Amino acid sequence: ETGVTQSPTHLIKTRGQQVTLRCSSQSGHNTVSWYQQALGQGPQFIFQYYREEENGRGNFPPRFSGLQFPNYSSELNVNALELDDSALYLCASSLEQGATGELFFGEGSRLTVL
Amino acid sequence: GEDVEQSLFLSVREGDSSVINCTYTDSSSTYLYWYKQEPGAGLQLLTYIFSNMDMKQDQRLTVLLNKKDKHLSLRIADTQTGDSAIYFCAESMRSGNTGKLIFGQGTTLQVKP
Repeated sequence: ETGVTQSPTHLIKTRGQQVTLRCSSQSGHNTVSWYQQALGQGPQFIFQYYREEENGRGNFPPRFSGLQFPNYSSELNVNALELDDSALYLCASSLEQGATGELFFGEGSRLTVL
Repeated sequence: GEDVEQSLFLSVREGDSSVINCTYTDSSSTYLYWYKQEPGAGLQLLTYIFSNMDMKQDQRLTVLLNKKDKHLSLRIADTQTGDSAIYFCAESMRSGNTGKLIFGQGTTLQVKP
């Protein structure tokens, strides 16, 4: 059983650029959630995808968007990057939408915006 | 509102017990979690407890839940240097068909040899 994998692990962008982060969910999991973890803080919910549709969103602007593919993998896209977008972006997969019994996290993608 | 509070730092000696505390706000949370994060790594689920339970024990870990006071604690028995990490408490929140976790800011556990 493969766990949640994310890529890239680290990346550096400049303000105004766009970034795409990728996540492969754990085998058998059809729901993917994305979280942003700023330095010294707990993770904050960005959004969740279930069956290729956004299924709930946290307090993040529209320049944060995502996709989920038929194989349940997912992308997080951030446009017009700002310095405050520097953070660890965590992907988590679970068995079904709304299920919060167990959420499995990847190692994260660390984004630095200069 | 959505808020989970934790103390920021705890230092213990190797072999002692560690107790990390957390308070949460949503009385309708069905699950409460403890995650561990080592430097530069993602989150590792340590344990979770259903809201209708008072206690859960898993090897060296004991979770206590006081639903009336909305207080959750994690006790680590015989704490080892490898337990040094940041520990996050999280509550589940369900809005429609969306389940999400609300995390505290994390408690840094330092274990001295």
